[in-house]
Amino acid sequence: GAVVSQHPSWVICKSGTSVKIECRSLDFQATTMFWYRQFPKQSLMLMATSNEGSKATYEQGVEKDKFLINHASLTLSTLTVTSAHPEDSSFYICSARDGNSRAYEQYFGPGTRLTVT
Amino acid sequence: AQSVAQPEDQVNVAEGNPLTVKCTYSVSGNPYLFWYVQYPNRGLQFLLKYITGDNLVKGSYGFEAEFNKSQTSFHLKKPSALVSDSALYFCAVRGADNFNKFYFGSGTKLNVKP
Repeated sequence: GAVVSQHPSWVICKSGTSVKIECRSLDFQATTMFWYRQFPKQSLMLMATSNEGSKATYEQGVEKDKFLINHASLTLSTLTVTSAHPEDSSFYICSARDGNSRAYEQYFGPGTRLTVT
Repeated sequence: AQSVAQPEDQVNVAEGNPLTVKCTYSVSGNPYLFWYVQYPNRGLQFLLKYITGDNLVKGSYGFEAEFNKSQTSFHLKKPSALVSDSALYFCAVRGADNFNKFYFGSGTKLNVKP
């Protein structure tokens, strides 16, 4: 149980275009999902916390107009990178919190490799 | 404030030998601690967690971790390393002010040589 999927697993796009990444919890309901960014050989950087049915909470320094997050249902959150630039190239990982777990543990998706040319 | 430190960027161990990946934490209140493993170009896989109870926690793939409150440590261990254990390991602590927030260490690359 507790499986999180992401789609696509990798994407290449041209500078100036927008890219949408989906994160789904497959066998549990996730009232809260998280979006992380990971640079090569570095730790995960939390970008935003996504709550179903409400606006996402962004971490300091993350542009909310550039990284649009929508959490439309209890099993789906999307991250849209708008007007992508090469510096947005990174590995994006989502996670979902199992609302029934008192430890608030998070289950992670396999990640999406974004390359902006 | 809460934080996690993984003092070693890399740990090298021979297959069959025991391994330890170190983690120390700082958080107010009772710590909720986690270990995750990441293989290249993959997301994080949950290994184990400490919430309360026994200081020695057993997890997936033969890994275990020892919680030491006085030393504020949560070191990951395995009695006999496998080449397939080679990966990046992250320690994390749940935020005390925001339960939704996890604070990750910088990661430790484990290399197990045959």
